[in-house]
Amino acid sequence: KQEVTQIPAALSVPEGENLVLNCSFTDSAIYNLQWFRQDPGKGLTSLLLIQSSQREQTSGRLNASLDKSSGRSTLYIAASQPGDSATYLCAVRGGSNYKLTFGKGTLLTVNP
Amino acid sequence: GAGVSQSPSNKVTEKGKDVELRCDPISGHTALYWYRQRLGQGLEFLIYFQGNSAPDKSGLPSDRFSAERTGESVSTLTIQRTQQEDSAVYLCASRLTGHYGYTFGSGTRLTVV
Repeated sequence: KQEVTQIPAALSVPEGENLVLNCSFTDSAIYNLQWFRQDPGKGLTSLLLIQSSQREQTSGRLNASLDKSSGRSTLYIAASQPGDSATYLCAVRGGSNYKLTFGKGTLLTVNP
Repeated sequence: GAGVSQSPSNKVTEKGKDVELRCDPISGHTALYWYRQRLGQGLEFLIYFQGNSAPDKSGLPSDRFSAERTGESVSTLTIQRTQQEDSAVYLCASRLTGHYGYTFGSGTRLTVV
């Protein structure tokens, strides 16, 4: 059974800092990995999706990497802003099914 | 529509009552998922619909939970005889077959008192 772990559970940083969120998964036979953002009382917003054959994806100040063999992904946020404050969720889609398995998320607070 | 729409956004119900949650997926998205997010927990898969195929109900936690979808349209998730442990945010997502990304709705926050 796939398990996804996100570390840290919470992170508080001053504005302008670069930061890294970590995600690990137990079964490396994944189809893809997706990072989402969730704001309080809102649904999930997709940030980046990495196919199993890819090593990284970039969108603006966000960069996500994937090391499938070691079961790890990182989300790098450059020059953090207060508007980045949210919960960040990592989810993997299994190689033989279509379901997403989610981590519990990292609650990020960027202080002005 | 432009996004996945869920209603109601909030629902407070008394223990033992039945509730019905609605999800309106993006037009043309054949795949539809229901997830549950309990406080402090990750999202749990509940059920998956793909076109007219038999749904994957393997994530439904008990027989009090059921869901329906007609073709590629609206889906409803019904919880009968609600219990306090059913309190959670219920999220719906849709996906275009052959594509990789999932689009989530804003969820229904269910509180059972």
